[in-house]
Amino acid sequence: DVKVTQSSRYLVKRTGEKVFLECVQDMDHENMFWYRQDPGLGLRLIYFSYDVKMKEKGDIPEGYSVSREKKERFSLILESASTNQTSMYLCASSSGQGWEQYFGPGTRLTVT
Amino acid sequence: AQTVTQSQPEMSVQEAETVTLSCTYDTSENNYYLFWYKQPPSRQMILVIRQEAYKQQNATENRFSVNFQKAAKSFSLKISDSQLGDTAMYFCAFIRGGGADGLTFGKGTHLIIQP
Repeated sequence: DVKVTQSSRYLVKRTGEKVFLECVQDMDHENMFWYRQDPGLGLRLIYFSYDVKMKEKGDIPEGYSVSREKKERFSLILESASTNQTSMYLCASSSGQGWEQYFGPGTRLTVT
Repeated sequence: AQTVTQSQPEMSVQEAETVTLSCTYDTSENNYYLFWYKQPPSRQMILVIRQEAYKQQNATENRFSVNFQKAAKSFSLKISDSQLGDTAMYFCAFIRGGGADGLTFGKGTHLIIQP
């Protein structure tokens, strides 16, 4: 079974802090994704990566950056957290075939 | 760009009934995939079913089946013999073929199975 893990289930940070959300997958998937989920808005793509050190902006990249130094790990970085980044963050991975994405359990981030 | 629309924010049915969740999408692509994901209260997103656009046959996974109407750009999910554990948010999602794009999701339907 594919396993996608995220470093924290719940996280509380202060405005202006630098925040790192970590995601690790164990299935040697090429593609990894970060989404945020907000009530009434569904899931929206922040960034994705199709290879090590490669990254592509999604629909809402502003205020975020990413890092993928190893194939299995994809980090989402909030350079200076703001209250409007309070949300559920979901990481996902997929192989080059089939295109279905497997999701981690999510990190609920609260910025105060 | 593609869009995915789920017109039913919430549905409620009795246990053992059959329920159909609606999804329409808009795209100019010819090669794409469609998915239904389930998100129970635990918040873990779980793949329910997958459909390739080039396949005419509707996908089926046990009690879950889809009605894929490519010309109408419609992709509904039917749950037969519904169970209490089917209570969840259900998201319809689209991805174009041939690239490593992210999924485009609908806003979800909250399905409640009543005992």
